[in-house]
Amino acid sequence: AQSVTQLGSHVSVSEGALVLLRCNYSSSVPPYLFWYVQYPNQGLQLLLKYTTGATLVKGINGFEAEFKKSETSFHLTKPSAHMSDAAEYFCAVTSGSGNTGKLIFGQGTTLQVKP
Amino acid sequence: GAGVSQSPSNKVTEKGKDVELRCDPISGHTALYWYRQRLGQGLEFLIYFQGNSAPDKSGLPSDRFSAERTGESVSTLTIQRTQQEDSAVYLCASSSGLAGLNTQYFGPGTRLTVL
Repeated sequence: AQSVTQLGSHVSVSEGALVLLRCNYSSSVPPYLFWYVQYPNQGLQLLLKYTTGATLVKGINGFEAEFKKSETSFHLTKPSAHMSDAAEYFCAVTSGSGNTGKLIFGQGTTLQVKP
Repeated sequence: GAGVSQSPSNKVTEKGKDVELRCDPISGHTALYWYRQRLGQGLEFLIYFQGNSAPDKSGLPSDRFSAERTGESVSTLTIQRTQQEDSAVYLCASSSGLAGLNTQYFGPGTRLTVL
């Protein structure tokens, strides 16, 4: 069975500071990993995904994440936070072969950006 | 182009009533997913449709929940004899194939409140 743990339900950073949102996964098969963002009163939007290949993945809005198999982690980072980054972020996992592609989500992390 | 749409956007119902939630996927997307997001929790997979294959119903929480899809178009999620614990945002997503590689695009959700 697959699972996702996001450490920290709320993260607060100052504008311009580093953003680090933590995600650890459990999977018995090679995982496909995703970060989604949900802005207030909007639907989920894909930030980035890892399937195969390069383990450092770049996404939209300056976000990136690195797949570390040895640590079973897929942490999301952004060098400099912007006020518009305030949102809820979800890490998700699925497996790439022989399954339906259904996503298993973490509990979400709310990012607050202070001026 | 048009994204995934869902209706209604909000639904308030009384305990014991039946409700129907509708999802219009992106045209041409063969895969369709339903998820549930309860307050303060991550998204839970409910059901998956892929073309004419038998749906994956493994996430449905009880036999009060059912879903149908007509071909590769509209899907309806039905909840019978609603309970207060059914209160949640119900999200629909579609993708152009197996979502291991293909991104799932989410609709804005239907917020269901059971009084």
